[in-house]
Amino acid sequence: ELKVEQNPLFLSMQEGKNYTIYCNYSTTSDRLYWYRQDPGKSLESLFVLLSNGAVKQEGRLMASLDTKARLSTLHITAAVHDLSATYFCAAGDNTDKLIFGTGTRLQVFP
Amino acid sequence: NAGVTQTPKFQVLKTGQSMTLQCAQDMNHNSMYWYRQDPGMGLRLIYYSASEGTTDKGEVPNGYNVSRLNKREFSLRLESAAPSQTSVYFCASSTGRPNRNQPQHFGDGTRLSIL
Repeated sequence: ELKVEQNPLFLSMQEGKNYTIYCNYSTTSDRLYWYRQDPGKSLESLFVLLSNGAVKQEGRLMASLDTKARLSTLHITAAVHDLSATYFCAAGDNTDKLIFGTGTRLQVFP
Repeated sequence: NAGVTQTPKFQVLKTGQSMTLQCAQDMNHNSMYWYRQDPGMGLRLIYYSASEGTTDKGEVPNGYNVSRLNKREFSLRLESAAPSQTSVYFCASSTGRPNRNQPQHFGDGTRLSIL
């Protein structure tokens, strides 16, 4: 059974600093997703990672995938307040389902 | 483009009442999903439908039923609501097989309170 763990659960960052969110999954998966959720809002797709070594970047966010280690990371570069949100990773199982992590709540302060 | 539309946005029920949450997508997607989101627990899959005419249980199906009315619509029914079903419910859709790598698109959610 596929399980997904994220850490940290909560991250308080100063503007301008760098940090990484980690997403581990327990069994083989052929697809990994990152989503963003603002308070009281829906989930927005950020990245889709499909192969070992895949790296995607959008602005100050960069996601990578290591299928051998069953690990994906979301790296934040020079954080700004607008990045404050909850970030979820999700891994696909061998059907059409996604298994979500519990989320990382990111708070960026001046 | 409306994307995924959920109704209602908010609802308060009394224990034992029934209700149906509606979801419709206009992206011609094959697969549709119902999740619940509770604090500290991420999103948990209730039911999903890989294609029109099929439905399957997810992680937390007890107390719920679903209907895939047609390709566009996927409804979630609570037959006898319980306080433990207080949650935010999200509907999502995706292209599904053979393009199952595409991300899921989410509706705005239904905030359901059961007293």
